[in-house]
Amino acid sequence: AQTVTQSQPEMSVQEAETVTLSCTYDTSENNYYLFWYKQPPSRQMILVIRQEAYKQQNATENRFSVNFQKAAKSFSLKISDSQLGDTAMYFCAFMKPTTSGTYKYIFGTGTRLKVLA
Amino acid sequence: GAVVSQHPSRVICKSGTSVKIECRSLDFQATTMFWYRQFPKQSLMLMATSNEGSKATYEQGVEKDKFLINHASLTLSTLTVTSAHPEDSSFYICSATKISEAFFGQGTRLTVV
Repeated sequence: AQTVTQSQPEMSVQEAETVTLSCTYDTSENNYYLFWYKQPPSRQMILVIRQEAYKQQNATENRFSVNFQKAAKSFSLKISDSQLGDTAMYFCAFMKPTTSGTYKYIFGTGTRLKVLA
Repeated sequence: GAVVSQHPSRVICKSGTSVKIECRSLDFQATTMFWYRQFPKQSLMLMATSNEGSKATYEQGVEKDKFLINHASLTLSTLTVTSAHPEDSSFYICSATKISEAFFGQGTRLTVV
């Protein structure tokens, strides 16, 4: 069975600094997707970044980038120039297509990030 | 991006009553929707997969008779918490997938008193 592990329950970072959130996963699949979602106090889940497993190049979205190490099954998120609005819960998620043609998501336990002024 | 609307955002009900939560995909058709439950400061726990025109698939340990799911159209799935009890109080979130990406509703905070 697939699992997603986030080993950092809480982290803090000074505004404008850089922080890296860790995520490891376990799967025997070869075709899958990885995501980082942000859940601010409003509790709305917001997609931060996604990575297709077949792509070797690390995904980047403005201040957000990932370090995807497929062999090590590691998928960390780097937030550069941290802003107060980045304060949220961050979930790493693994998604794979199912035999029925749908997709199944598995979420990590989350990392609570606080950006300090 | 795609929009998924969930209603109501908050509901308080008396113990023993039933509550219905709606999840709509506003600008795309979703043959499959997902229902999650989230306890405070915890991750999303998949409860069931809602399939348009057929029975929902429930995760192990989720009571299908308590959490009734109906997916009558390609844009609407409903979750009904039947005979609610205080332990059912939680945050419920739905999602729908479009082109291998999940879009989430705003969530529903259910409080059973």
